[in-house]
Amino acid sequence: DTAVSQTPKYLVTQMGNDKSIKCEQNLGHDTMYWYKQDSKKFLKIMFSYNNKELIINETVPNRFSPKSPDKAHLNLHINSLELGDSAVYFCASSQQLGQADGYTFGSGTRLTVV
Amino acid sequence: RKEVEQDPGPFNVPEGATVAFNCTYSNSASQSFFWYRQDCRKEPKLLMSVYSSGNEDGRFTAQLNRASQYISLLIRDSKLSDSATYLCVVTPSGGYNKLIFGAGTRLAVHP
Repeated sequence: DTAVSQTPKYLVTQMGNDKSIKCEQNLGHDTMYWYKQDSKKFLKIMFSYNNKELIINETVPNRFSPKSPDKAHLNLHINSLELGDSAVYFCASSQQLGQADGYTFGSGTRLTVV
Repeated sequence: RKEVEQDPGPFNVPEGATVAFNCTYSNSASQSFFWYRQDCRKEPKLLMSVYSSGNEDGRFTAQLNRASQYISLLIRDSKLSDSATYLCVVTPSGGYNKLIFGAGTRLAVHP
C-alpha cells in the first residue's frame, strides 16, 4: 500500500491549459505539502496544509490553487499553464505541524508544458 | 545568496572510498538539519537527521557546526548503491516544518 500517492505520474500538456494533480496519503498524517523541483533540481516548498487549513503559501502565482477536501487529500490545480511550470511536483505529508523529521514524499508528478 | 549551498559535484569515487560532502546555510536561526538522498527520477528520502553532537548511522556520519553554519556528511566504504544525489536540508525557526533544500551533491560510485 503506497503511503503517499500522486496521480498522474506523468503529464504532458499545452501552454494555456488547466490541469490538476491529485495527492492522497493513508498514513493518518495531519499535514500535507506540495513541493516543486525545477530543471536545476532545486526542491522548493509551494504550499502546506494542516488539517485542511492553509498554513504556508510560498509566493506561488495565483494560477496555482491547492485544495484539501479532507486531511488525507491535497490536490493542486494549475490554470493557464506556462512553459516555466514544467517541473516535477512532489506531494508530501508529515504527522503533525512542526515535525520536520517525519516527512514522507510521494513519487512525484512530472509535468511537461509544450 | 542561496539559503542552503552545496558543492554540486559530481563526486566520482571507487567502491570502498571515503567521501565527504559539505553544506553551508545562511540563516543562523535555522532549527533542524537533515541529509536526504534522492535517486535519479525518484522522490527524496530521509537519510539521517543531523545533531549538534554529531551522529553516526552505520557507514554514514553527520556533523553540524552551528557557529560556522556548516553541515557535513561522511560516507565510509562507499558501495555502488550509494550512487545518488545527497541533499542538505534545514528548517527555519518557527518555519512550520517546511524543508529548505540545497541543490544537492551528486555521487557516483564506480567498481
